[in-house]
Amino acid sequence: AQSVTQPDIHITVSEGASLELRCNYSYGATPYLFWYVQSPGQGLQLLLKYFSGDTLVQGIKGFEAEFKRSQSSFNLRKPSVHWSDAAEYFCAVGARSGYSTLTFGKGTMLLVSP
Amino acid sequence: NAGVMQNPRHLVRRRGQEARLRCSPMKGHSHVYWYRQLPEEGLKFMVYLQKENIIDESGMPKERFSAEFPKEGPSILRIQQVVRGDSAAYFCASSPGRDGNYEQYFGPGTRLTVT
Repeated sequence: AQSVTQPDIHITVSEGASLELRCNYSYGATPYLFWYVQSPGQGLQLLLKYFSGDTLVQGIKGFEAEFKRSQSSFNLRKPSVHWSDAAEYFCAVGARSGYSTLTFGKGTMLLVSP
Repeated sequence: NAGVMQNPRHLVRRRGQEARLRCSPMKGHSHVYWYRQLPEEGLKFMVYLQKENIIDESGMPKERFSAEFPKEGPSILRIQQVVRGDSAAYFCASSPGRDGNYEQYFGPGTRLTVT
């Protein structure tokens, strides 16, 4: 069965510092890969997605993610974090064939310190 | 162009009552997914529907839960005889197509509290 692991439940980063959120997946084949962000009490917003091609994917709000097939990873990065980035981040995978329900990780809560 | 709409945003029910959660997909989208988010958990898939059809309900509890997406009107997730363990945020997502190449757009969620 497919699964997504986000090993860090909470991460605290100083404003202006760089950020990397980890995501590993277990899947029969290379899935579609997504990162979503959820602000408190809100729905999910798509940050970026990987379908095929260049393994370094650019997203909104200055985020990027790199797909590494050999490590089954899709880590999210940002070179300089802003206070408004404080939120919960979810990694998700979806099947390439048939219809695609998403399997989510448990999320990483990002706290930004001044 | 309105996004995915869910109502109510917050719902309080006593144990044993029924909860009805509504989801209006984005205009032009005929595929709807429901997910549940328990406290400190990620989202878990519940059910996938197209207009008038349930395609996959493998994530839905076998009892008390049902979903529909009629030809006209919103998709409804119905929970009968709610229990405290049903307290969660329920999210609806819609997409314009069937396969994973289509992005799912999420609504703001309905937060159900069972007292």
